Amino acid sequence: EAGVAQSPRYKIIEKRQSVAFWCNPISGHATLYWYQQILGQGPKLLIQFQNNGVVDDSQLPKDRFSAERLKGVDSTLKIQPAKLEDSAVYLCASSLGGGIYGYTFGSGTRLTVV
Amino acid sequence: ILNVEQSPQSLHVQEGDSTNFTCSFPSSNFYALHWYRWETAKSPEALFVMTLNGDEKKKGRISATLNTKEGYSYLYIKGSQPEDSATYLCAHSTGNQFYFGTGTSLTVIP
Repeated sequence: EAGVAQSPRYKIIEKRQSVAFWCNPISGHATLYWYQQILGQGPKLLIQFQNNGVVDDSQLPKDRFSAERLKGVDSTLKIQPAKLEDSAVYLCASSLGGGIYGYTFGSGTRLTVV
Repeated sequence: ILNVEQSPQSLHVQEGDSTNFTCSFPSSNFYALHWYRWETAKSPEALFVMTLNGDEKKKGRISATLNTKEGYSYLYIKGSQPEDSATYLCAHSTGNQFYFGTGTSLTVIP
């Protein structure tokens, strides 16, 4: 089966600019996650979708981050405006339902804010 | 938020050495424990998922054990090779939520 697709792989932007990341999960995976991994830290959940509904966005900085999952398939994560501390790898993952199933991760987008 | 801790944070070993890492997690509300290997510029790759106390899993030179009563899992690598160099992440699942540790970064020196 095809894996989780993410784009772009790398992005460098100046602070206060906007950026968007795209994710296409594995076909049939109802659950989609966006994680932020800052260097030296473990991945932090930003938002979890079940189909096209939000299950958990408690750690999403909603003043600057937004995410949507149209039609319960592809998802986009946007940052507007970006700050220096947003420099991180943004990982998308999908799952049949979490728990025992585990995740399949995309290759991530490495964002550098200068 | 549950605390999942991994140790050591980083490790350098010589090729051929065996090594092990620890993942500690809250023993309450346990559903599953996952191990992932994350090589630079690649996707994290699932290694093992364990659910039962006393579980042992093996994949080639890599094996893992699970103690749900005391809340820890060990990952062992026998005869480390340079291609084993990666960050090893564990994740504790309570059913619908995953909580990741900060990872152990392994460097195997040829």
